Amino acid sequence: QVQLVQSGAEVKKPGASVKVSCKASGYTFTGYYMHWVRQAPGQGLEWMGWINPNSGGAIYAQKFQGRVTLTRDTSISTAYVELSRLRSDDTAVYYCVRYTYDTSGYYSDYWGQGTLVTVSS
Amino acid sequence: QSALTQPASVSGSPGQSITISCTGTNSDVGGYNYVSWYQQHPGKAPKLMIYDVSNRPSGVSNRFSGSKSGDTASLTISGLQAEDEADYYCSSYTSSTTWVFGGGTRLTVL
Repeated sequence: QVQLVQSGAEVKKPGASVKVSCKASGYTFTGYYMHWVRQAPGQGLEWMGWINPNSGGAIYAQKFQGRVTLTRDTSISTAYVELSRLRSDDTAVYYCVRYTYDTSGYYSDYWGQGTLVTVSS
Repeated sequence: QSALTQPASVSGSPGQSITISCTGTNSDVGGYNYVSWYQQHPGKAPKLMIYDVSNRPSGVSNRFSGSKSGDTASLTISGLQAEDEADYYCSSYTSSTTWVFGGGTRLTVL
């Protein structure tokens, strides 16, 4: 069965960087786009970007341009999001989300369990 | 890319129907049939309820339906049940090959 298992909670200081991993299993990792979405405490969902695991190409939300990097390691079926120059308002749960894009449509079908990143001095 | 516009809250009594709107622009909702709706209960990951404007994933109740007119998409829940009380988010593909979410709507079942 499809599973997306994310790395554990992180506590970082303002100005630092954080890298969250998402290990995929149960499907061909390079066959589906991986998106990243975050949710600050008590707030709504915010789309950050997506990566094509096959090519490594990535697209980022304008808000995060220059601060976020999406990468992947196909040898271990793992996607990563790295966010730099952290601020307190980056405190959020970060989700990896598998998207299907084919003749059946374009939609998310599996979410990771979420990783809480806390930015605090 | 600005967030899609949703009402902050809606409410309804058990058995009633409610509709949640999601307004964007012709660069997102109005330009593509890639609109999704998610249900989120407290402390849980979002669950896909509708994709591609009006398609229901396997296992989602047929009480949930989606539609779109111009730049506004809508989620309708018929026969409201207590378990439907949750936050609902719309999401759309955009002309920048990005995605954008709505601000979310809190549904209260009275």
